[in-house]
Amino acid sequence: EAGVAQSPRYKIIEKRQSVAFWCNPISGHATLYWYQQILGQGPKLLIQFQNNGVVDDSQLPKDRFSAERLKGVDSTLKIQPAKLEDSAVYLCASSLDLGAGVGSGYTFGSGTRLTVV
Amino acid sequence: TQLLEQSPQFLSIQEGENLTVYCNSSSVFSSLQWYRQEPGEGPVLLVTVVTGGEVKKLKRLTFQFGDARKDSSLHITAAQPGDTGLYLCAGAEVSNYQLIWGAGTKLIIKP
Repeated sequence: EAGVAQSPRYKIIEKRQSVAFWCNPISGHATLYWYQQILGQGPKLLIQFQNNGVVDDSQLPKDRFSAERLKGVDSTLKIQPAKLEDSAVYLCASSLDLGAGVGSGYTFGSGTRLTVV
Repeated sequence: TQLLEQSPQFLSIQEGENLTVYCNSSSVFSSLQWYRQEPGEGPVLLVTVVTGGEVKKLKRLTFQFGDARKDSSLHITAAQPGDTGLYLCAGAEVSNYQLIWGAGTKLIIKP
């Protein structure tokens, strides 16, 4: 089974520029998550989709971050404009359903390492 | 807000030694998961524990869920350099199964 695909792997941008990340989850996984992981910390949930609907975006800085999951498959996460503190690894994960905390867990992609200079 | 505290934050030991990593909370979780993350990669699920007092073994790794389902431990016997990585625990909230993540334990096993 193919894993969760993310691109790009690395991105360096200047502050105030915009950037977009792409994620293709495991086929058949209804739930998709975007996490931000700052060096030395655990992942922080930014947004959770169930199919193409948003389940939880309470920690998404909506003044600069946006995400969409058209057709309930691929997803993109955008930052505009970027700030220095956005430097982090952005992880995409997918799971079969909302109850993944009990069962099979999440499958993560390799992440995109963003550096804002 | 539920919190998961992991300890120690950092551990560096010699190959062959044993170690235990802890994950503690004041809140009850419906289940708890342990993940390992290597540099440049996403976390990979190691185990899910569901029942209070449950013990699961994965080769040299032993995972235990506390009786009250508020804490968990990961014990590694005879650690090897391949065990090096960031170990993350994540608890599933009782109400909605959302995962609450610990900050991780960075483990280095020296040959």
